[in-house]
Amino acid sequence: GESVGLHLPTLSVQEGDNSIINCAYSNSASDYFIWYKQESGKGPQFIIDIRSNMDKRQGQRVTVLLNKTVKHLSLQIAATQPGDSAVYFCAENYAGRRALTFGSGTRLQVQP
Amino acid sequence: DADVTQTPRNRITKTGKRIMLECSQTKGHDRMYWYRQDPGLGLRLIYYSFDVKDINKGEISDGYSVSRQAQAKFSLSLESAIPNQTALYFCATSTGVNTEAFFGQGTRLTVV
Repeated sequence: GESVGLHLPTLSVQEGDNSIINCAYSNSASDYFIWYKQESGKGPQFIIDIRSNMDKRQGQRVTVLLNKTVKHLSLQIAATQPGDSAVYFCAENYAGRRALTFGSGTRLQVQP
Repeated sequence: DADVTQTPRNRITKTGKRIMLECSQTKGHDRMYWYRQDPGLGLRLIYYSFDVKDINKGEISDGYSVSRQAQAKFSLSLESAIPNQTALYFCATSTGVNTEAFFGQGTRLTVV
């Protein structure tokens, strides 16, 4: 069956380092991918999205990379800050499915 | 004010009780969703609605029902709450399928 999963449940990085959060998906028909950040006690907040006709998309301090060959998605956070500490979810969708499917999340811990 | 508002934010209820979680939005979106979040399982779709007359079951709809009272309001009901429905519940809205979903702050429900 289809699934969206993450390689690591917890990632610990030093402040100022770059962070890379990975996500694997299994449905080759998936054509839309999105990353959310969830801080404690809050709802998920949009970070960045990418469509399958792109390999890379950049935002402010964040970059999403999509490798359709191996069905892999990553979120790169540059110069990680304490405020980046949160749980990060990837989600995906494809034409014909009516709502996003979410992965289980990775907790990012930023060490001072 | 929040664009997607959920009430209550926290609720403790007894097994067998009926409970309603409410969601209202000011974003003017037609599409609304209810997700459930359990530790380590990410967000799972309970129900979704693409307009007032269009309501659909998600992957875990058993034990839940919904009502779309207006474009801006989408309520989730647990007809007879059970302890394994203890979870964090999120309402979300969107303009389309392959677009960003906007989440409320969540309702933490505990069934004892």
